[in-house]
Amino acid sequence: AAGVIQSPRHLIKEKRETATLKCYPIPRHDTVYWYQQGPGQDPQFLISFYEKMQSDKGSIPDRFSAQQFSDYHSELNMSSLELGDSALYFCASSLGYNQPQHFGDGTRLSIL
Amino acid sequence: RKEVEQDPGPFNVPEGATVAFNCTYSNSASQSFFWYRQDCRKEPKLLMSVYSSGNEDGRFTAQLNRASQYISLLIRDSKLSDSATYLCVVNMGGGSYIPTFGRGTSLIVHP
Repeated sequence: AAGVIQSPRHLIKEKRETATLKCYPIPRHDTVYWYQQGPGQDPQFLISFYEKMQSDKGSIPDRFSAQQFSDYHSELNMSSLELGDSALYFCASSLGYNQPQHFGDGTRLSIL
Repeated sequence: RKEVEQDPGPFNVPEGATVAFNCTYSNSASQSFFWYRQDCRKEPKLLMSVYSSGNEDGRFTAQLNRASQYISLLIRDSKLSDSATYLCVVNMGGGSYIPTFGRGTSLIVHP
């Protein structure tokens, strides 16, 4: 069965650069979530979209923005990257809100 | 105080043992509950949803106690492959559905 696809798997950037992470949800899933997971931490909710509209916002810095496109894929744009942004970034999708989420493999972002 | 709390463990148990984890949540309006497992540096994988009446999937049983605001996960006949971190997730109610993770409980099953 198709799963959530994230790209790239690994990304290395320098401070103050920008990065774009992509997420392709499971077909027919209408809800997408973004999470940030630092070493030894639990996943922190950043933002979610339902039917291409922003639904809820968590601890997403102002330097980050995200959107969901007409084909339901989503992108997380990160600017003015800081060392503390180094983390695993997960995308998840679900069929409807308040439903079980299915996670992608994640993007490992390293800031030098 | 974190909104969703779990004992981080580790729980160190022999193969074949029964082990139980609890997860408490602070928002009484919370609406949906899930258990995930996460292996080191991998994505969380859905283990099971937690229903009000309790539910079972093979060796795994999940229960919800709304009065005391906790969910539990029971694993019977532990296998080496059950070694992982178990995360509970609570969708906070009150008009938003922000999923909140606990910090996870580490389980180590040894021969």
